Formats: sequence, C-alpha cells, structure tokens
Amino acid sequence: KNEVEQSPQNLTAQEGEFITINCSYSVGISALHWLQQHPGGGIVSLFMLSSGKKKHGRLIATINIQEKHSSLHITASHPRDSAVYICAAYNTDKLIFGTGTRLQVFP
Amino acid sequence: ETGVTQTPRHLVMGMTNKKSLKCEQHLGHNAMYWYKQSAKKPLELMFVYSLEERVENNSVPSRFSPECPNSSHLFLHLHTLQPEDSALYLCASSQEMGEAEQYFGPGTRLTVT
Repeated sequence: KNEVEQSPQNLTAQEGEFITINCSYSVGISALHWLQQHPGGGIVSLFMLSSGKKKHGRLIATINIQEKHSSLHITASHPRDSAVYICAAYNTDKLIFGTGTRLQVFP
Repeated sequence: ETGVTQTPRHLVMGMTNKKSLKCEQHLGHNAMYWYKQSAKKPLELMFVYSLEERVENNSVPSRFSPECPNSSHLFLHLHTLQPEDSALYLCASSQEMGEAEQYFGPGTRLTVT
C-alpha cells in the first residue's frame, strides 16, 4: 500500500463543474505539495502547504493534518485543466508521491 | 517557463549504448534531483545533490551514474540499460534540500530497445 493515496484515479467532468481530488497519507509529514502534469510530461508546482487552505485563481488546496488528508478543488473547470494531478508529501526531507489523478474536462 | 531545462526531450537507445541526460536550472537553486516516472507508478526519487554533493542515492543500479559539475547542471549517464528502464526521467531543483518547493523540468522520455 502506497504511503500516499489519491482518489479518484480517473475523473471526467463537464466544463464548468466543480472538481475535488483527494489525497490521504499514512506517514508523518511536514508539508504537502500539489503538482500538475500535462501530457508530454512537464510538471508544474501548484501549491505547497502545511496547514489550512491556499487559493490561486480557480484552484483551492486544503489540508487537515489531524486527519492526514488534503484536497485539491477546481472551480468552474475548463478543458485546459485536463492533466494528471499529483500530491506529494514531505516526510523526513523526502517527497513521497501519490500515483496521480487523471482529470479530463470535456467542453 | 519552469526555469529547469532538460535535453534531450526524447531518447531511444539500445542496451549496449552509452548516453547522457542533461539538466540545467536557471533559478539559482542549491539542490537538484533526478526522478524516474514509469507508467502507472508514482515518481521515484533516484538521486539528490545539494551544493554539488550527492546526498541521496536511492538504491539505484550502477548503470545509472549521476554527475553534478556545478550547482546549475546535473547529468545522468546511462550505460547498458535494460528495456525496463524505459520511462520518463525528470529533473527538479529547489532552493535548498528538504522542505522546499521543487521546480521540475519537462523530462526526457527514454526508450530502451
């Protein structure tokens, strides 16, 4: 069992829908990273957070340290949001990665 | 624009070839990383360099040999690879090693025939 689990593995949505991607971890962490990977491979950092909530445009990330859970929300989803979303947890200075959630947003 | 570049973007090599992957970061960061991403698997950390010194070698076979000549450049030398080494190889950098935001390059898609 992976120390960082994401759900769902695959997600399809219609343009405009509200999206939630979940990340649960079983180890102690100091911070959590949300990353976006587009087809072709390049990875972009979206958020790094250790408590509470962060917002950037239509993206919102939350973390609950006690429950060992983080969520990434996308409001008013758009086809260009189609990508793989990866959460990664910092544990003793190393990043432990989830397997990713593949999101497809259709017009 | 990530500030981290990788070349080549695609590479096909035979099992007896020797090739090198190059990573360059223009962010003034002190730590650099090599990751391997295989299909359906999480990213796997291969090597970490901090201030040009290797600080992590995550049980990687010796057919992968990293080199960090300065804080801006990182190489991964490849020799007698196996078909199962085919994967996306990603380079990343961060200001410092540890809990710091990592910036990724576009990756090199490697196919070993």
